[in-house]
Amino acid sequence: DADVTQTPRNRITKTGKRIMLECSQTKGHDRMYWYRQDPGLGLRLIYYSFDVKDINKGEISDGYSVSRQAQAKFSLSLESAIPNQTALYFCATSDPGTSGSYEQFFGPGTRLTVL
Amino acid sequence: SQQGEEDPQALSIQEGENATMNCSYKTSINNLQWYRQNSGRGLVHLILIRSNEREKHSGRLRVTLDTSKKSSSLLITASRAADTASYFCATDAVSNTGKLIFGQGTTLQVKP
Repeated sequence: DADVTQTPRNRITKTGKRIMLECSQTKGHDRMYWYRQDPGLGLRLIYYSFDVKDINKGEISDGYSVSRQAQAKFSLSLESAIPNQTALYFCATSDPGTSGSYEQFFGPGTRLTVL
Repeated sequence: SQQGEEDPQALSIQEGENATMNCSYKTSINNLQWYRQNSGRGLVHLILIRSNEREKHSGRLRVTLDTSKKSSSLLITASRAADTASYFCATDAVSNTGKLIFGQGTTLQVKP
């Protein structure tokens, strides 16, 4: 079974709709992240959480909100979706491990289309 | 803002050739990481190099880091068609430990 899972994998929605993307992990990591990927722009950080009580805005948080329901779950919401939020969304987790280096582990992604 | 910028944006080579990708960054780092992404899929960690290291190897991968020039390179030797993917560098900045900033990526095509 995958260590980091995302649901749904694909979603088509309409402008103005509220949508939630969910991420679950079985790695036991404290740190979780949400990114969006657009063609030619690489990955941009939306929100990140270093533990259940610590949530921070990333580079492009406007129009998004998150909820860290438990160590294993981190959800991303689009309160009122707009077409320029059409993108590939990734969840990731990390842990310092024994080396203190925060290698990140990614989910398979959610392809979101806003019409 | 993007911390890492990668060069070239796209690279096409024949199987068996070597592929070199470069990454430049702006601020002091704890480490620099390279990731691979197959089309439309999640990123997979390849290799990490710390700021006090200059070169690191993992199988057919060789990474160098020049902190004075704020640059890194990833060399894939004896490339295979299965190496076709996008490759991203990511920096863990001293000022934001544990929060990676990704470059825009290099798309590598290896022709059989």
